[in-house]
Amino acid sequence: KQEVTQIPAALSVPEGENLVLNCSFTDSAIYNLQWFRQDPGKGLTSLLLIQSSQREQTSGRLNASLDKSSGRSTLYIAASQPGDSATYLCAVKGSNYQLIWGAGTKLIIKP
Amino acid sequence: EAQVTQNPRYLITVTGKKLTVTCSQNMNHEYMSWYRQDPGLGLRQIYYSMNVEVTDKGDVPEGYKVSRKEKRNFPLILESPSPNQTSLYFCASSVNTGELFFGEGSRLTVL
Repeated sequence: KQEVTQIPAALSVPEGENLVLNCSFTDSAIYNLQWFRQDPGKGLTSLLLIQSSQREQTSGRLNASLDKSSGRSTLYIAASQPGDSATYLCAVKGSNYQLIWGAGTKLIIKP
Repeated sequence: EAQVTQNPRYLITVTGKKLTVTCSQNMNHEYMSWYRQDPGLGLRQIYYSMNVEVTDKGDVPEGYKVSRKEKRNFPLILESPSPNQTSLYFCASSVNTGELFFGEGSRLTVL
């Protein structure tokens, strides 16, 4: 059964730093992996989607990589800003189309 | 505007009183799914559907029913709600292996 783990559970860094969030999964038979952000009390906003055949995707200051063989994905945030403060979630869509979620990383960017 | 619409957004009900949370998408997506989000447990998939008349159980289907009679609609039915179904519920849709789009969420309280 697929398991998705996100490390760290929480992270607090000063504004301007580059940072990396990690997502690992146990079954490499996946269709895709998607990163989301969630603000307190709000819904989920899609950040990046990486298909199983892709190695990375970029959007603005965000870059996500995927290494299926090692069961890992990273979300790189460049030049962090206070507005980046949120919970970041990764979700893996398996070969049965079921979606399995990580528990999230709560990110705080200090001004 | 492309969107996933859930109703109601907020609901307080009593144990045993049947309720339906509606979900509708206007993007002609094949894949639709329901999740619940609970503190400390994260997001868990309840049911998903890969197309009309095709539904599958997710991680936590007990106490819920779904139907997919039309491509755009995927209602979540609680036949006899119980207090342990108090949660924040999200509906989402996508093309089958594409980016997942979420509704705003429905906060349900069962007394």
